[in-house]
Amino acid sequence: QEQLVQSGAEVRKPWASVKVSCKASEYTFANYFIHWVRQSPAQGLEWMGWINPNSGGTNLAQKFQGSVTMTRDASISTVYMELRSVTSADTAIYYCAREKLATGDRGTFDIWGQGTMITVSS
Amino acid sequence: DIQMTQSPSSLSASVGDRVTITCRTSQMIATYVNWYQQQPGKAPKLLIHGASNLQSGVPSRFSGSGSETEFTLTISSLQPEDFATYYCQQTYFTPLFGPGTKVNIK
Repeated sequence: QEQLVQSGAEVRKPWASVKVSCKASEYTFANYFIHWVRQSPAQGLEWMGWINPNSGGTNLAQKFQGSVTMTRDASISTVYMELRSVTSADTAIYYCAREKLATGDRGTFDIWGQGTMITVSS
Repeated sequence: DIQMTQSPSSLSASVGDRVTITCRTSQMIATYVNWYQQQPGKAPKLLIHGASNLQSGVPSRFSGSGSETEFTLTISSLQPEDFATYYCQQTYFTPLFGPGTKVNIK
């Protein structure tokens, strides 16, 4: 069935970088935008941005501009989210999510990855 | 910036009960609201999009209504698998989720 499968949990020290992958299967990768959402007890569910797998174009929430990069490798139907200069405030579960087609908006998510726990600790 | 609230923040209910959750926004957003269900340790699952459209595969006991600044999610007859946390989300502006409503077993 259509699914997104994410890479495994990571632990980083403050000011390091981390890169999470999200592999799509059983649907046409280029046809659906992929978004990243993170979840923490302090901030709840927080939208980070999207990537257009066809063009590679991205749109990041203002909060994450300068610290997050989203890329894709269409040959393996995979998108990546890299977070730089992490702090304890970045400890969260990170989800990729597929944008539902034909809703007239840019934020309805019909398929989610299983989540990747990122822990920042010295 | 738009603000979102949900009420109640938690509730206790029994199997078979009718449950209603309310989501309010600080600005008018037409019907650009979605509802998600999240089970512990799982990713959110889309239930309702566009305020009232049932996502494919979601049981018909779930329904949504509302427009502009007030929205409701109703579960007509609560089932054991419905004990979870429910989030509203607005997509009129930059996507933003509400704080969640946890539905507990009474």
